Amino acid sequence: EVQLVESGGGLVQPGGSLRLSCAASGFTFSSYEMNWVRQAPGKGLEWVSYISSSGSTIYYADSVKGRFTISRDNAKNSLYLQMNSLRAEDTAVYYCARVNSGYDSYYYYYMDVWGKGTTVTVSS
Amino acid sequence: SYELTQPPSVSVSPGQTARITCSGDALPKQYAYWYQQKPGQAPVLVIYKDSERPSGIPERFSGSSSGTTVTLTISGVQAEDEADYYCQSADSSGTYPWVFGGGTKLTVL
Repeated sequence: EVQLVESGGGLVQPGGSLRLSCAASGFTFSSYEMNWVRQAPGKGLEWVSYISSSGSTIYYADSVKGRFTISRDNAKNSLYLQMNSLRAEDTAVYYCARVNSGYDSYYYYYMDVWGKGTTVTVSS
Repeated sequence: SYELTQPPSVSVSPGQTARITCSGDALPKQYAYWYQQKPGQAPVLVIYKDSERPSGIPERFSGSSSGTTVTLTISGVQAEDEADYYCQSADSSGTYPWVFGGGTKLTVL
């Protein structure tokens, strides 16, 4: 069964740090690009960060650039998100998601497998 | 920054057809995708590349595209279809591939 399981969420004070992990199983993790997507309480989905299958290409949303770092360990089938200088507005459920991308008539990029999410609360 | 616009809510009675729209200037040149999210659950992909349906998604879910608007259609709506639905697409250059619409709450009356 294809599965993504996030962990590492919790309560942290403003300015603090947290490292999220995402364990992948049931598919060849090293062949897939991956995303982190978050959802603040009562709000919509917000893309956070992308990493290519090899880890050589990385993108961040402007809202987290310079504070968050995405990485992966293909030998361990794991995706990570290091979150530093956390703010109240980073409070959200964080999902890891598998990316399916390619080109036919147009480029396509979508997320076909999602984890259940891990909750990050930034509060004093 | 690029934006996708969805109606905040849509309501239908069981058995009727629900249509949820998503508008964006780049949609004539980019694919759109739709995700269903039920309360307390992770999003689930229900439509990809405008109109393709992943395996396991019921046939009552379909997608279409016309100009700057894409539409998710749910035919013969069932109570279990009550959820939030999000469209996702990219800006015209593809620089920002993971732009989400604000979401539409589908209520089954």
